[in-house]
Amino acid sequence: NAGVTQTPKFQVLKTGQSMTLQCAQDMNHEYMSWYRQDPGMGLRLIHYSVGAGITDQGEVPNGYNVSRSTTEDFPLRLLSAAPSQTSVYFCASSYTSGTYLYGYTFGSGTRLTVV
Amino acid sequence: AQTVTQSQPEMSVQEAETVTLSCTYDTSESDYYLFWYKQPPSRQMILVIRQEAYKQQNATENRFSVNFQKAAKSFSLKISDSQLGDAAMYFCAYRSADFGNEKLTFGTGTRLTIIP
Repeated sequence: NAGVTQTPKFQVLKTGQSMTLQCAQDMNHEYMSWYRQDPGMGLRLIHYSVGAGITDQGEVPNGYNVSRSTTEDFPLRLLSAAPSQTSVYFCASSYTSGTYLYGYTFGSGTRLTVV
Repeated sequence: AQTVTQSQPEMSVQEAETVTLSCTYDTSESDYYLFWYKQPPSRQMILVIRQEAYKQQNATENRFSVNFQKAAKSFSLKISDSQLGDAAMYFCAYRSADFGNEKLTFGTGTRLTIIP
């Protein structure tokens, strides 16, 4: 199993450009989410999904869009990149069995720089 | 809203010694999950240990154990027999047991240095 795969690992964008960060998991997890990590701060939730076709906003959703057409994929779209979006982005997945929540599996992250 | 506080930005410990990392949280919920994640320089987030709030027994995973004090809203991580590979950022995280509330709330992290 590959786990959670994020691409690309590094990206430099110019202000105003758009791009999509890819996230795929092969564990059939129902929950998927995107976080950003900034220096001196913990990870903050951008958007999440509790299943295919269902998405919702997290703590810092502005400037980002998501969709989830399949269980496996959860791409994050930056519509018009801004320097404030310079960060490390993590995708994560998890699942439940009955009422038991298993721990989250994270991708290896994408370091995005907006110039 | 829940908050997680890690009051020790940096800690250091001699190799083979024991170190405890602190975490406190604020919530009005009675059922939730708590996690410790390790982030080495590779930046990969690695689950170290988890605790369910309804369990009174403290979780343990090999050299890692927690001291979960629900009334005090405290969730500290103890690392025994510290090894060089334990050097990393450690994050405490909270998640509601409400499965409609899909959010991990993280603390700001503690950087752990292992002294050979």
